[in-house]
Amino acid sequence: TQLLEQSPQFLSIQEGENLTVYCNSSSVFSSLQWYRQEPGEGPVLLVTVVTGGEVKKLKRLTFQFGDARKDSSLHITAAQPGDTGLYLCAPREGDFGNEKLTFGTGTRLTIIP
Amino acid sequence: GAVVSQHPSWVICKSGTSVKIECRSLDFQATTMFWYRQFPKQSLMLMATSNEGSKATYEQGVEKDKFLINHASLTLSTLTVTSAHPEDSSFYICSAPPAAGLSYEQYFGPGTRLTVT
Repeated sequence: TQLLEQSPQFLSIQEGENLTVYCNSSSVFSSLQWYRQEPGEGPVLLVTVVTGGEVKKLKRLTFQFGDARKDSSLHITAAQPGDTGLYLCAPREGDFGNEKLTFGTGTRLTIIP
Repeated sequence: GAVVSQHPSWVICKSGTSVKIECRSLDFQATTMFWYRQFPKQSLMLMATSNEGSKATYEQGVEKDKFLINHASLTLSTLTVTSAHPEDSSFYICSAPPAAGLSYEQYFGPGTRLTVT
């Protein structure tokens, strides 16, 4: 099982600030997903990155996949209280229809109004 | 979008008893479903892969005789925690991947919070 370290583990910042969280591994991934989970709910997919060096934007969220496909980052601009949650990265393993997700350690983000 | 439901959403049981958690895919068929466990302040840990019509595949360290998984139909997988103990108290989440070739997205249930007293 590949171990994905996410950093920081906890982050609490003021509304309006920018932040970056990281997902790192020593393994190469074919693709990687980012999820956000709110308390008492299941995770919700934010993005899938596939190509090394790929950058995807989702409104104020910018996701980057490392050139070597071993790491990824999530940058949030002008954070809002609605961004609060547990952010999880997960590489995809297996073929379509039989994917297995092994989640990273997670970053718990709190945005203070 | 595809929806996965779980029942119950929360359950309290006494130590030594068994409890069954259901995971249903509401508008699509799922030959494979996954079960995760999440302790407070922690990430999701994959427990097992549920395969319709065959035995489940368990991750290392997960007791298959304690966590019984049955995937009897293309829309239903059940997880039974047998002889539950307080350390089994956790948030259990299931997920189902889309049909082959349709999407990268995997659909998660809303979770079941189990408290063993």
